[in-house]
Amino acid sequence: EAQVTQNPRYLITVTGKKLTVTCSQNMNHEYMSWYRQDPGLGLRQIYYSMNVEVTDKGDVPEGYKVSRKEKRNFPLILESPSPNQTSLYFCASSSRKGNEKLFFGSGTQLSVL
Amino acid sequence: GENVEQHPSTLSVQEGDSAVIKCTYSDSASNYFPWYKQELGKGPQLIIDIRSNVGEKKDQRIAVTLNKTAKHFSLHITETQPEDSAVYFCAASPGGSYIPTFGRGTSLIVHP
Repeated sequence: EAQVTQNPRYLITVTGKKLTVTCSQNMNHEYMSWYRQDPGLGLRQIYYSMNVEVTDKGDVPEGYKVSRKEKRNFPLILESPSPNQTSLYFCASSSRKGNEKLFFGSGTQLSVL
Repeated sequence: GENVEQHPSTLSVQEGDSAVIKCTYSDSASNYFPWYKQELGKGPQLIIDIRSNVGEKKDQRIAVTLNKTAKHFSLHITETQPEDSAVYFCAASPGGSYIPTFGRGTSLIVHP
């Protein structure tokens, strides 16, 4: 089954404790992206990657890191989480060879205390 | 960069009524306009999209219209059902950029 898998689904952590949210897709997509969803603000892009070893900042990249060492994986790293990073996070992927349909993961609800 | 405005933020209708969600965009280079539906506890899913060389597209009870001159596009849902209750996002992107800008979302509530 074609899918984007994020882990974990829920995460509660404390300020300053490094964490990684994993994202993996099995569709051989070139494009991958991370979004955060906050009430009233919609989906805001954090980082995106057009292909392996190519990453770029989105609209709200501060406090986040990403890497794209393999085509299927695109982890989101919070080196020193702060309470304002409490949010619902989504990973998405798309093929650059077809239409521009984005496939989203099920989301990661992060709470930083 | 692109700016997408979406209205209303909340829409409440009775089952069987029609629902319309409207979006405007700012970048005249945008030519791909998808709509995503997000059910509770899930990620957004594409439900319909339209490109700038088309004025209207239909898929059963949903339709999207595009007015490039006015830079606005709309989602129309007819004969709404309770399972249509969800958050709907519009988006706009320059063709081939794969970097859509999303609206802030509309929470549609369909009352049985």
